[in-house]
Amino acid sequence: QKEVEQDPGPLSVPEGAIVSLNCTYSNSAFQYFMWYRQYSRKGPELLMYTYSSGNKEDGRFTAQVDKSSKYISLFIRDSQPSDSATYLCAISRGGSEKLVFGKGTKLTVNP
Amino acid sequence: DVKVTQSSRYLVKRTGEKVFLECVQDMDHENMFWYRQDPGLGLRLIYFSYDVKMKEKGDIPEGYSVSREKKERFSLILESASTNQTSMYLCATRDSTGFSYEQYFGPGTRLTVT
Repeated sequence: QKEVEQDPGPLSVPEGAIVSLNCTYSNSAFQYFMWYRQYSRKGPELLMYTYSSGNKEDGRFTAQVDKSSKYISLFIRDSQPSDSATYLCAISRGGSEKLVFGKGTKLTVNP
Repeated sequence: DVKVTQSSRYLVKRTGEKVFLECVQDMDHENMFWYRQDPGLGLRLIYFSYDVKMKEKGDIPEGYSVSREKKERFSLILESASTNQTSMYLCATRDSTGFSYEQYFGPGTRLTVT
């Protein structure tokens, strides 16, 4: 079983839609959860960072972690064409452990 | 802001050539990483370094080596480039002194081996 699974999409939505991006993971030892956004031909940039279960909100973006289900989500409200990118989830056990990345979901927001 | 720079955005090399990819960061981060990114395979860790002159193999180290002589610079070396090393190469850094585990990425080098 892979450590983290992410639906690759692609996902295409109209401008203004609510977008839900998800990852599942296999090991309950993971405690740190991140979402990265990667525009075409660019490096990934950190979008959201959460520790343990719960929600974290930043403007139109909400990151949600459900450790009991081993499920993490990123919600984008009022999506904009500028949100068109690939979104990668990343998880860590902490300490000196490496980050484990999902394969990314490609999102297109159509004007 | 953390700044991670990579020596080239695009690189074309011939099979058998020795290739050097350079990564430089300006935030005094101890940890540095090299990934490759391929469609359908996602990000795969090649090598990482916890500190100067230290290196650890990642998930796919075959055909690669690294060098870290100074804290701010981490080099990836393709000893004899092959066509299956055509990929996007990404360098990342991480500050290990706090409790944050996020990594900061450079813009990437798209390498084509012909």
